[in-house]
Amino acid sequence: AQSVAQPEDQVNVAEGNPLTVKCTYSVSGNPYLFWYVQYPNRGLQFLLKYITGDNLVKGSYGFEAEFNKSQTSFHLKKPSALVSDSALYFCAVRGTGNNRLAFGKGNQVVVIP
Amino acid sequence: DVKVTQSSRYLVKRTGEKVFLECVQDMDHENMFWYRQDPGLGLRLIYFSYDVKMKEKGDIPEGYSVSREKKERFSLILESASTNQTSMYLCASTTPGPSSYEQYFGPGTRLTVT
Repeated sequence: AQSVAQPEDQVNVAEGNPLTVKCTYSVSGNPYLFWYVQYPNRGLQFLLKYITGDNLVKGSYGFEAEFNKSQTSFHLKKPSALVSDSALYFCAVRGTGNNRLAFGKGNQVVVIP
Repeated sequence: DVKVTQSSRYLVKRTGEKVFLECVQDMDHENMFWYRQDPGLGLRLIYFSYDVKMKEKGDIPEGYSVSREKKERFSLILESASTNQTSMYLCASTTPGPSSYEQYFGPGTRLTVT
């Protein structure tokens, strides 16, 4: 079985401050990890992924994520949040040989001007 | 750019009606997926298809069926709509392979069953 936990329902951050959205996962074998963002009344947009290699992955819109195998985590980060980053963020995982993604429940990020 | 389109953005149906949700992708992807999204529950997989006429149940297939007659088109069918199927429905597609490719999502269909 594979699963994702996003422990916080909502993350509030002041504009210009660092943003972190937490994700931990459980999977058999090596994990493939993804972050998606969803703006209101829209589909999900791909932000970044970890497959192998460097633990720090850089993605779209200045976001990055750090893979930590020992802690089974893949936290999303942005050094300086913008009001336009306010959205719903989903972490997802799939294990080797599995066609399906398991999604977390999502984190609402609110960036306060 | 990959484009995944869904036939309707908003849909209102009555209880007991048969409902068709259509999804089309233009990147020749083998794999296609249907999810429903509910607040606090994230995305849950209803069905997926890895080839024409091939399908597999996801985590919540009850009350739904699917059809994939052509590679680019994947339809979700609610045989007899019920109020508990009021939700946002998202379609996605991807290419399988030894590496892991991201899924590309459509804009979603918000279905209300009254």
